[in-house]
Amino acid sequence: GENVEQHPSTLSVQEGDSAVIKCTYSDSASNYFPWYKQELGKRPQLIIDIRSNVGEKKDQRIAVTLNKTAKHFSLHITETQPEDSAVYFCAASNRGNTNAGKSTFGDGTTLTVKP
Amino acid sequence: NAGVTQTPKFRILKIGQSMTLQCTQDMNHNYMYWYRQDPGMGLKLIYYSVGAGITDKGEVPNGYNVSRSTTEDFPLRLELAAPSQTSVYFCASSKRGAIQETQYFGPGTRLLVL
Repeated sequence: GENVEQHPSTLSVQEGDSAVIKCTYSDSASNYFPWYKQELGKRPQLIIDIRSNVGEKKDQRIAVTLNKTAKHFSLHITETQPEDSAVYFCAASNRGNTNAGKSTFGDGTTLTVKP
Repeated sequence: NAGVTQTPKFRILKIGQSMTLQCTQDMNHNYMYWYRQDPGMGLKLIYYSVGAGITDKGEVPNGYNVSRSTTEDFPLRLELAAPSQTSVYFCASSKRGAIQETQYFGPGTRLLVL
């Protein structure tokens, strides 16, 4: 099955700096890569996603890049703000697979943005 | 739309007791999932369902059972609670074939087994 590794497990940055979180996946058939943000005590919520036919996607201060050859994808947050502090999860799934399109999640990165 | 709802929010069980965690979605999603999240850890898939009457095991199914008699409901059953099942349980749903196949999560059920 799919295996997703996420690094780093913790990340501390100064407000205004950039943050980068990286994930690698093992199944070359995976073609959908969402990122979720989970604030303390809350549910995970999608913040951005990318499909395998796209190399990069941006949404304001958040961007995701995908390297299919190397089987890794990254989340980039620019101009970080204290409210970006949360746990971020990457995931990988195969949308074309009849096996429910279930996602395999990374173990999460705890991002702390210091004011 | 309420989205994905879960009950109860919090529960304390004694070892050996059983309980059912309820999950309901009102978005007409065909896919539903149960995850557990241990402290400081990621999400582990317990069971999932691609539609009413169809369920399958995820990564960590031992000690749990599910059923899916309707599109809306996907209850998770713990038969003989063990301390290792202390965790936060999230239910999620998604719509197969949607342009954005986002998983929408419920608010979670915090379970403590003593």
